[in-house]
Amino acid sequence: RKEVEQDPGPFNVPEGATVAFNCTYSNSASQSFFWYRQDCRKEPKLLMSVYSSGNEDGRFTAQLNRASQYISLLIRDSKLSDSATYLCVVKAAGNKLTFGGGTRVLVKP
Amino acid sequence: GAVVSQHPSRVICKSGTSVKIECRSLDFQATTMFWYRQFPKQSLMLMATSNEGSKATYEQGVEKDKFLINHASLTLSTLTVTSAHPEDSSFYICSAYAVFEQFFGPGTRLTVL
Repeated sequence: RKEVEQDPGPFNVPEGATVAFNCTYSNSASQSFFWYRQDCRKEPKLLMSVYSSGNEDGRFTAQLNRASQYISLLIRDSKLSDSATYLCVVKAAGNKLTFGGGTRVLVKP
Repeated sequence: GAVVSQHPSRVICKSGTSVKIECRSLDFQATTMFWYRQFPKQSLMLMATSNEGSKATYEQGVEKDKFLINHASLTLSTLTVTSAHPEDSSFYICSAYAVFEQFFGPGTRLTVL
């Protein structure tokens, strides 16, 4: 079983619609959680950290469920520029990050 | 945010040759840098943790004699792929920590013919 699992997608989303997807992690000792965005042939860039109480950054909302060991990302009012692969990232003790396989989102006009 | 650079951005080499990739933290010092590898349509896989002034820590299954890591200063780590083979063709990305966030270099695309 992979340490961090994601639905690879693609999620085809009409422009302006809402899309949400989850990620599950297996290490119950995981301490920090992040969503990164990766565009084709580029490096990952931090989208947002995920906090236990849930947090929002503009059109993006992240939730963490420690009991069920999953995190989620919701994108409201999708823009064409939101098309990317979204990587779920988990950090246990130390600074090592474990990446999920990514969820591909395609926003279409 | 902090800036991490990589050089070269793209390299094509013949099978059997060695390739060196540099990772630099441009505006901060990084005692620890990380090297990842990403195959097409797959996620980033951590290869090794590069520690300034000491030996790198390799992940299970990564050959330390094939992927040589040198972290000689607080701003530079290098990854050398020795005796490269076509199966080593991949996207290699480094990262470094700065102010509680991990910043990634732009990556190096290696193609071994």
